[in-house]
Amino acid sequence: QSALTQPASVSGSPGQSITISCTGTSSDIGGYNYVSWYQQYPGKAPKLMIFDVSNRPSGVSNRFSGSKSGNTASLTISGLQAEDEAEYYCSSYRSGSTLVVFGGGTKLTVL
Amino acid sequence: QVQLVESGGGVVQPGRSLRLSCTASGFTFSDYGMHWVRQAPGKGLEWVAVISYDGSKKNYADSVKGRFTISRDKSKNTLYLQMNSLRAEDTAVYYCAKAAGYCITGVCFDYWGQGTLVTVSS
Repeated sequence: QSALTQPASVSGSPGQSITISCTGTSSDIGGYNYVSWYQQYPGKAPKLMIFDVSNRPSGVSNRFSGSKSGNTASLTISGLQAEDEAEYYCSSYRSGSTLVVFGGGTKLTVL
Repeated sequence: QVQLVESGGGVVQPGRSLRLSCTASGFTFSDYGMHWVRQAPGKGLEWVAVISYDGSKKNYADSVKGRFTISRDKSKNTLYLQMNSLRAEDTAVYYCAKAAGYCITGVCFDYWGQGTLVTVSS
C-alpha cells in the first residue's frame, strides 16, 4: 500500500482535460508545498513534470499544471494528446524518517 | 548532457549482499544530492535513500534502514548503494536520481538513470 493515494486509472479523449488526484496527510502533502509529479512510459525511467506543487521544469509543456488543496494535490493535463498516455506518479516530502513518499501511480489512457 | 548509468544488478540469494553503482557525467557531481529509487516489477516507485552533496547527511526509507548504505565517491563521480541482508521484497529495478537544484528541499529528481534490476531469489 502506497503512502499517497492515487486513482488506479483515468482516461480522456484527445483535446479534453483530465485531472489526477493524490491524497496524503498533514505530514506530507498537507504540511508542505513540496509535491512533484512524474511521467513514466513502460520500461523507461520517470520524467519530472511538476515540482513544488505547481512549477514546471524547463521543456515541459504548459498543458501540464499542478495544484494543491489541503491534503490533496492534483495534476491537470489539458488538450490531451496521444503521447500523454503513460503512468503518472505523485510524490511529496514527508516529515520524519522516510523523506520522500510516492503515490501508487495512475495509468492515463487516451481514448 | 547529464547521464546517470547504473550497474551492479543481478540475481542474488536471500540474505546475501550486492553493491550498486551509478556513474554520473555532464554535471558537477559534488554539487548535488543524489537518491536511489526502486520499482518492483509491475509496481510503483519507492524512494530508498538520499545522500547530501558532500556525503555528510544520509536518510533511508524505513524498509531498508539498517540493511542498505548509500555513499558517494567524488573522485570517481560515482554513487553507491550497498545492500546487505537482501530479501525477496527487495527485488526491483533500482534507479539513481539526481536532486534537482531548483527544488527547495532537494527531494525532486530531474535526471534518472536507466535502472538496474536486482532479483533476490533462491
